[in-house]
Formats: sequence, structure tokens, C-alpha cells
Amino acid sequence: AQKVTQAQTEISVVEKEDVTLDCVYETRDTTYYLFWYKQPPSGELVFLIRRNSFDEQNEISGRYSWNFQKSTSSFNFTITASQVVDSAVYFCALRNYGGSQGNLIFGKGTKLSVKP
Amino acid sequence: DTEVTQTPKHLVMGMTNKKSLKCEQHMGHRAMYWYKQKAKKPPELMFVYSYEKLSINESVPSRFSPECPNSSLLNLHLHALQPEDSALYLCASSRRDTSGNTEAFFGQGTRLTVV
Repeated sequence: AQKVTQAQTEISVVEKEDVTLDCVYETRDTTYYLFWYKQPPSGELVFLIRRNSFDEQNEISGRYSWNFQKSTSSFNFTITASQVVDSAVYFCALRNYGGSQGNLIFGKGTKLSVKP
Repeated sequence: DTEVTQTPKHLVMGMTNKKSLKCEQHMGHRAMYWYKQKAKKPPELMFVYSYEKLSINESVPSRFSPECPNSSLLNLHLHALQPEDSALYLCASSRRDTSGNTEAFFGQGTRLTVV
């Protein structure tokens, strides 16, 4: 079975704080993809990153960084020096390789509120 | 250009109405999707079109009828909906590579209210 768990339902921080959003996944597949999406109040799901299961390199993009650890089945997302515009719901998602399914398994999302 | 455009942005319809949601992308993606998202929940997959053919129907009631007229357009026809069908309807598209479908790009969604 495939499953994505985002244990943090809501997080509230003050601007300029660093914040880490946790994501733990379960899959029997040896090859798979992991994703993070941001959903601001406007509703659009904004793609942030895709990580292949065979690539455990961590990635940094500006204030965003991702820590992929296959040993603990985790794909955590850190925002450094958070800003009010980072306020959104963040979804972690999983998809198997060879997607005749093309189906994303989403976590329940973490609502991040960044206060000025 | 990573844009998926959905119209209308908001829709209020009665239970006896017939309406359609539209989705358009010009990224050359050959996989297109409809998702339904209730408040404070993650999106749930409804339909997948691959090369303009319906490949997945996640046991969606027949009052929702998808249509893919060409590789850029995806419609969702609505008829005799129930109030519990009120939700955000998201369209997405992705290209296909040798590993299957790559990341999906989503539109802003249509906020549907059934009265």
C-alpha cells in the first residue's frame, strides 16, 4: 500500500523564522517519485519539487531546501527566513514509477501561517 | 509557460442545472486530469486522460461526465449534482516520459457551489 503522512496539521511561525514541514511515506515500490506542492488561498496547486527515489541528493532552491532520507522514508521541506507570502497549505505527494496510473497519493497537507 | 487555465473560476448551480467546467493547456502535455478537493482535504483524483483517451475513472458518479475534445482541452460536464458535490475542481496536466507521467501542473480551479 502507498501512503503519505504529514503529521503536522497546522504550523504558525513569525516572519524570518525557519520552519520544517515533515513528510513520511510508505511504498512497496523500489522506484518512485516524491513531490511537494504549495496551495495558497487562491486555490492553485503550485509544483515545487520532484525527487526520484534513486536520487538522494538534497536540494536547495533559494530559501527552500529538501531533505530526502530513504532510510527513514522521509522527504522533509525547510523554509529558511520565512515570509508572509509563504503562508499556504503544503502537500507532500508520492507516485509510483511507470505511471500507467498517473495517480498522485497526497498527504493531508500542512497549513503554514507566517505572521508579520 | 507552465499554465493551465480553468474557467469559470466560480460557479453556482442548481441541482437541476447542466453546466460545464473547462480546462486548457498549451504545454504539449498528453496527460490531463480532473481532481476534486473538499475544504481542508487533499485533492482526490477523478479522471485521467492519456492521449485524449479516458484511462482512469475513479468510480466517479455518472452525473460527472468528462470529455477531451483535443490534446489541449479538457471539459467536465455536470448534470443533476447534489449539494455535497460542492468543492474545488482542479484540472492538471503532465507530460509523459519513459518513466510514466512527470510532475503535474495544476490550474487555479473552479469553486463549485451546488444549491
